[in-house]
Amino acid sequence: DVKVTQSSRYLVKRTGEKVFLECVQDMDHENMFWYRQDPGLGLRLIYFSYDVKMKEKGDIPEGYSVSREKKERFSLILESASTNQTSMYLCASSLRTSGSWHGELFFGEGSRLTVL
Amino acid sequence: QQQVKQSPQSLIVQKGGISIINCAYENTAFDYFPWYQQFPGKGPALLIAIRPDVSEKKEGRFTISFNKSAKQFSLHIMDSQPGDSATYFCAASKISNFGNEKLTFGTGTRLTIIP
Repeated sequence: DVKVTQSSRYLVKRTGEKVFLECVQDMDHENMFWYRQDPGLGLRLIYFSYDVKMKEKGDIPEGYSVSREKKERFSLILESASTNQTSMYLCASSLRTSGSWHGELFFGEGSRLTVL
Repeated sequence: QQQVKQSPQSLIVQKGGISIINCAYENTAFDYFPWYQQFPGKGPALLIAIRPDVSEKKEGRFTISFNKSAKQFSLHIMDSQPGDSATYFCAASKISNFGNEKLTFGTGTRLTIIP
């Protein structure tokens, strides 16, 4: 079974702190994604990566950065956390597919971040 | 900019009834439409998906209906069971040859099945 592991299920940080959210997948997937989930807003894409050291902005990249130094690991960084970044953060991975079908996204269980 | 609009936000259905969740999209380039199911405390998981070359896809009690001209698609859950209580997300994407396509998700529907 594909496993996407997010290192921290719950974090509480203070405004201005630097926050690292780590995600590891064990199925050799090329693509990795960071989403945030907020009630009434659904899942919004922050950043994604389709190869090591490659990254692309999603729909809401402001205030975030990412790092992908190894294929299995994708990190989300909040350089200076703010209260409006309090949210559930979901990491996902998928195989790179070409042609006719989209790779299934496999999600981790989420990291709930509270910024005080 | 909401590219995929989902309704209703919440839905209560009696056990054995039909649950219907609707989505509408704007980008005519989208050509892949999955539904994801999320249970409390878990990440979303793929439930069923459709390409626009068919108008309906059925897997067990779950059916996607697709209307390309109206740019709408819906999820029907027949004989709804308490175990179906979850949050459902529709999504859309454009298939690319580079394998770097990204999904745009709807806002989610919290479904509750009551006895």
